[in-house]
Amino acid sequence: GAGVSQTPSNKVTEKGKYVELRCDPISGHTALYWYRQSLGQGPEFLIYFQGTGAADDSGLPNDRFFAVRPEGSVSTLKIQRTERGDSAVYLCASSQNPGLQETQYFGPGTRLLVL
Amino acid sequence: DQQVKQNSPSLSVQEGRISILNCDYTNSMFDYFLWYKKYPAEGPTFLISISSIKDKNEDGRFTVFLNKSAKHLSLHIVPSQPGDSAVYFCAATRGSSNTGKLIFGQGTTLQVKP
Repeated sequence: GAGVSQTPSNKVTEKGKYVELRCDPISGHTALYWYRQSLGQGPEFLIYFQGTGAADDSGLPNDRFFAVRPEGSVSTLKIQRTERGDSAVYLCASSQNPGLQETQYFGPGTRLLVL
Repeated sequence: DQQVKQNSPSLSVQEGRISILNCDYTNSMFDYFLWYKKYPAEGPTFLISISSIKDKNEDGRFTVFLNKSAKHLSLHIVPSQPGDSAVYFCAATRGSSNTGKLIFGQGTTLQVKP
């Protein structure tokens, strides 16, 4: 079956602009995660959705970052007033259920470059 | 504060030999550990995991060892193959968090030479 897909695959924007990054999880997966990977680092947790609700948003760096999952499937990560430091690969992952031993399946990521 | 650390940025081994990738963690509340493999331009893919109630888990050529007292785990690949060349991430999580949120190390780039 189809894996996790993310669009766009690449996004170049200018400092101060607004961007939206989309994630389509594996069908039927209730848990959805966003991570951010900066150059030379491992993925860093941003936010976790269980169904439609954000159950843990402790990784969002500041209030410029916001994410939604209105119907419990597709999720959008929104970044306002982008800064050069936001440049990174944004990864989305989904798992069938939340919890300790559920495998998270990752999408290929969106490479965001803020000029 | 880096709770999961992979101190070797890169490792090069000859095909057929053993690859050993290391990972250290600081948070004693972590009770489940995973290894992910990542090829360029792709997302990480799950490789193998281990619960803190075990000290070893094996899956084919891949074995993960956990030393809780040292807060250390390692991934052994035997025999190494050129297709194993990738970035390997160690990750940890806490059962009590009930979310499955993963804390990743910085990654180790493995190169297996033919």
